[in-house]
Amino acid sequence: EPEVTQTPSHQVTQMGQEVILRCVPISNHLYFYWYRQILGQKVEFLVSFYNNEISEKSEIFDDQFSVERPDGSNFTLKIRSTKLEDSAMYFCASRPRGLGNTIYFGEGSWLTVV
Amino acid sequence: ELKVEQNPLFLSMQEGKNYTIYCNYSTTSDRLYWYRQDPGKSLESLFVLLSNGAVKQEGRLMASLDTKARLSTLHITAAVHDLSATYFCAVETSGSRLTFGEGTQLTVNP
Repeated sequence: EPEVTQTPSHQVTQMGQEVILRCVPISNHLYFYWYRQILGQKVEFLVSFYNNEISEKSEIFDDQFSVERPDGSNFTLKIRSTKLEDSAMYFCASRPRGLGNTIYFGEGSWLTVV
Repeated sequence: ELKVEQNPLFLSMQEGKNYTIYCNYSTTSDRLYWYRQDPGKSLESLFVLLSNGAVKQEGRLMASLDTKARLSTLHITAAVHDLSATYFCAVETSGSRLTFGEGTQLTVNP
């Protein structure tokens, strides 16, 4: 069964460093998302991406964050100048054409900022 | 701001028992999702509910949606240990953004 794949599975970075989290959405899916989950808390929406542009972003997704779909298959989340409070599990997700279809989540990238 | 509230947040139940998890939300939406999450793992899609009165069942789980009451339920029938996990409901709003509830941590005891 097709799945959303994410790398790295775990990354430890020093405060102030830049991090890039990578995702390969399911082939032929059209909508892409990043969510995050701080340990023990609920899942929070960061950004949605469709037709090569951001379609919606949350209050969390400030200038520190950016997304890219550089080559038609990868979907990346860049976090500039990481802060301690950026430590979380970051989930990539994708969905096929047609709102109301299931949104499929990847296994997540666990980011620890020290 | 959309609020999605689940209750209970923690549920410990015995195998073989039935129970219902509730998901209330504060704005109009007719698309609601249920996900399961095992510790340290991703979110596994359980149900997509797309209209008022929608009911879906898979094994020992059944989900329903009442858009007028802004309420969804996840009913567990004859629980087994394998159902132990955290269950999230999520409401979809414009732009296909999902707003998640806090999750219900379910423990099924032998």
